[in-house]
Amino acid sequence: GAVVSQHPSWVICKSGTSVKIECRSLDFQATTMFWYRQFPKQSLMLMATSNEGSKATYEQGVEKDKFLINHASLTLSTLTVTSAHPEDSSFYICSAGGPRSSGNTIYFGEGSWLTVV
Amino acid sequence: GNSVTQMEGPVTLSEEAFLTINCTYTATGYPSLFWYVQYPGEGLQLLLKATKADDKGSNKGFEATYRKETTSFHLEKGSVQVSDSAVYFCASNTGGFKTIFGAGTRLFVKA
Repeated sequence: GAVVSQHPSWVICKSGTSVKIECRSLDFQATTMFWYRQFPKQSLMLMATSNEGSKATYEQGVEKDKFLINHASLTLSTLTVTSAHPEDSSFYICSAGGPRSSGNTIYFGEGSWLTVV
Repeated sequence: GNSVTQMEGPVTLSEEAFLTINCTYTATGYPSLFWYVQYPGEGLQLLLKATKADDKGSNKGFEATYRKETTSFHLEKGSVQVSDSAVYFCASNTGGFKTIFGAGTRLFVKA
């Protein structure tokens, strides 16, 4: 149980376009989801906390107009990278707060590789 | 503030060697503690967890014991395999779902 799935796994987009990444909790409801960015050989950088039905809370230094987060249902959060530039190329990972039975455990998606050309 | 510190890598071991990756935490209150593993090109997977002092989390031959007196949660495995090569993240959570991660320790296991 507690499976989180991200889509797409890989995406290449042209500079200036927008790209959407989906994060779904497949077998549980997640009121809270998190979005991270990971640079090569580095730890996770928390970008924002997404709460179902309310606005996301962004970490300091993360542009909320560039990284749009929507958490419209208890099983889906989306991250849209708007007007993407090559420096936005990265590995993006989501996680979801698990079911009640898991305590405070968060479960991760598989990650999404974004390349902006 | 709350933080997690884990040993720097990379750690390079031969197959069947004993593994220890140190992790210490600072927290107000009593956090839940976790180890996550990240295989190349993938997201993180929960490896094991412990929610209170003296609890031992275990999975796939890995173990870690929640030591309140030393504020530690060291990861151990008696005999590593090449397939264990990955990055290991120690993490703590003091309430809600907001989780603090260590910097990660890269493990290479040679055949």
